Amino acid sequence: DGGITQSPKYLFRKEGQNVTLSCEQNLNHDAMYWYRQDPGQGLRLIYYSQIVNDFQKGDIAEGYSVSREKKESFPLTVTSAQKNPTAFYLCASKITGEFSYNSPLHFGNGTRLTVT
Amino acid sequence: DQQVKQNSPSLSVQEGRISILNCDYTNSMFDYFLWYKKYPAEGPTFLISISSIKDKNEDGRFTVFLNKSAKHLSLHIVPSQPGDSAVYFCAASAWISNFGNEKLTFGTGTRLTIIP
Repeated sequence: DGGITQSPKYLFRKEGQNVTLSCEQNLNHDAMYWYRQDPGQGLRLIYYSQIVNDFQKGDIAEGYSVSREKKESFPLTVTSAQKNPTAFYLCASKITGEFSYNSPLHFGNGTRLTVT
Repeated sequence: DQQVKQNSPSLSVQEGRISILNCDYTNSMFDYFLWYKKYPAEGPTFLISISSIKDKNEDGRFTVFLNKSAKHLSLHIVPSQPGDSAVYFCAASAWISNFGNEKLTFGTGTRLTIIP
């Protein structure tokens, strides 16, 4: 079955440590996204990538970094510079190109990161 | 500023009755609207969408209504079933040139509970 796999489901880290969240998709989608969800807030865009070897900052990119070396993979690193890293992180992908305008996002099941 | 607002954080509805979830937006550039459904510890899944050139879209038990003049949309679920208990996110889309694609802005979500 095609889909997006995020691992691990739960992640615990000490303050000051960098941590990398994995996101893999086998949907053959070009575009991939990272969102963050906090209680009482909508999903906020951290980074996105329209194509391999290219990515752009979203609305709340500070303290995060990404890479896109393969079409299938879009890992997110939460650095020690991120002031409030504890959150639920969601990876998503979608098709791009002709006739793809407003095609829906496909989401993974998320990673809940807790930093103490 | 919150461009997409879901003013009801929660809603409880009796099984079999109609559930109405509301969403307001402020940006007149939004031209496409989507509803996503999210169960706990899972990623959102696409439910239904509507283009700004329409005022209604129906898919089975789910209907979305759009009132452009009021910048308001609503999701109707009828009849409501226990499996509909979830958080529902409204999202609005606009083409952003420096984003290189359409960009989604999410509301804060409404937790729907269906009472058996």
